[in-house]
Amino acid sequence: GQSLEQPSEVTAVEGAIVQINCTYQTSGFYGLSWYQQHDGGAPTFLSYNGLDGLEETGRFSSFLSRSDSYGYLLLQELQMKDSASYFCAVPPGSGGYQKVTFGTGTKLQVIP
Amino acid sequence: EAQVTQNPRYLITVTGKKLTVTCSQNMNHEYMSWYRQDPGLGLRQIYYSMNVEVTDKGDVPEGYKVSRKEKRNFPLILESPSPNQTSLYFCASGIQGGETQYFGPGTRLLVL
Repeated sequence: GQSLEQPSEVTAVEGAIVQINCTYQTSGFYGLSWYQQHDGGAPTFLSYNGLDGLEETGRFSSFLSRSDSYGYLLLQELQMKDSASYFCAVPPGSGGYQKVTFGTGTKLQVIP
Repeated sequence: EAQVTQNPRYLITVTGKKLTVTCSQNMNHEYMSWYRQDPGLGLRQIYYSMNVEVTDKGDVPEGYKVSRKEKRNFPLILESPSPNQTSLYFCASGIQGGETQYFGPGTRLLVL
């Protein structure tokens, strides 16, 4: 089976930096994806780590450590519009394992 | 415009009345999937399909059926809906073995 754990809620101040952690226990691990979901909306893809290390996409960065079964999403220069839920996910891999598992999500509240 | 569409967006029905939620994508993706989202439980995969005529169970398949007769379409069928299937449903598509999934806008289902 697979499980991904995230903190349920995080609050941060506008302009600050926030880190959202994800620890996982999986079989057939192919990498870690991150999605953003605003209230009432659909999840949208943010970032992916197929290898250990840091991936940067604008204000968002994501990190993966396979040896620690751990990853995180880093949001810099927080804006009010970043208030949303953030999910880590193990995507479908090529070859054997095709299921997708999502974490339960972290609700980020950005305050002025 | 590349997109995943779902219909209907909102549906109220009664226990036992068969229903189908349609899903269509125009990106020529091989991989398609259905999820349900419930408060505190995140996104849970119901069924997925790796290609035409190839489907498999996700983590919560009970009470649902799917079919994949064409690459672009992946309908979700509830043969005899029950109140515990009241949920927000998302269809998604992606490149098989890829890290990115594209989500439809969601279908909010209420079973009375």
